[in-house]
Amino acid sequence: AQTVTQSQPEMSVQEAETVTLSCTYDTSESDYYLFWYKQPPSRQMILVIRQEAYKQQNATENRFSVNFQKAAKSFSLKISDSQLGDAAMYFCAYRSAGSDMRFGAGTRLTVKP
Amino acid sequence: DAGITQSPRHKVTETGTPVTLRCHQTENHRYMYWYRQDPGHGLRLIHYSYGVKDTDKGEVSDGYSVSRSKTEDFLLTLESATSSQTSVYFCAISESRRKGETQYFGPGTRLLVL
Repeated sequence: AQTVTQSQPEMSVQEAETVTLSCTYDTSESDYYLFWYKQPPSRQMILVIRQEAYKQQNATENRFSVNFQKAAKSFSLKISDSQLGDAAMYFCAYRSAGSDMRFGAGTRLTVKP
Repeated sequence: DAGITQSPRHKVTETGTPVTLRCHQTENHRYMYWYRQDPGHGLRLIHYSYGVKDTDKGEVSDGYSVSRSKTEDFLLTLESATSSQTSVYFCAISESRRKGETQYFGPGTRLLVL
């Protein structure tokens, strides 16, 4: 079964600085998607960004970008110009055709003013 | 925000009692999901539905049943609640099961089984 590992239970960043959250996954599939979800204190799960495995170009959404290394099975999230509203739990997730969504355990991000 | 509501939002119950959680959507999405969220595990799929009366098991389905009698409603039932089912439960919806499809999540239900 596919597994998703987030090795950093907690991270902190100074406001306006950049932080990178790590995610690795295990799969034998070649066609899949990877996702980052944000869960603020309200508990609402919000999709931040997604990456299709067949696309070599890293996805970007405003201040959020990913570093997708397919051979290394690594999918990190970079948050630039961190804001107080970025404080949340961040979950990395994986999904291939015919499989269910698999989530990592999450990384709690604290933003210091 | 996707129109997804969950009820109740909080519940405290005792071991051995039945519990039903409700998910209601106004988006007319075909697929609905129930996840549980636990520290150290992220979210794990319990059951999902691909249409009225069509459901299938997920990764952690033991001790749970589901029903979907209308497109907009997906019920999760704990027939006899146990302390190990203390968790936060999320409903999600999607238009399809394509691998890149966005899943939209409800606000969650916090369940405490004493």
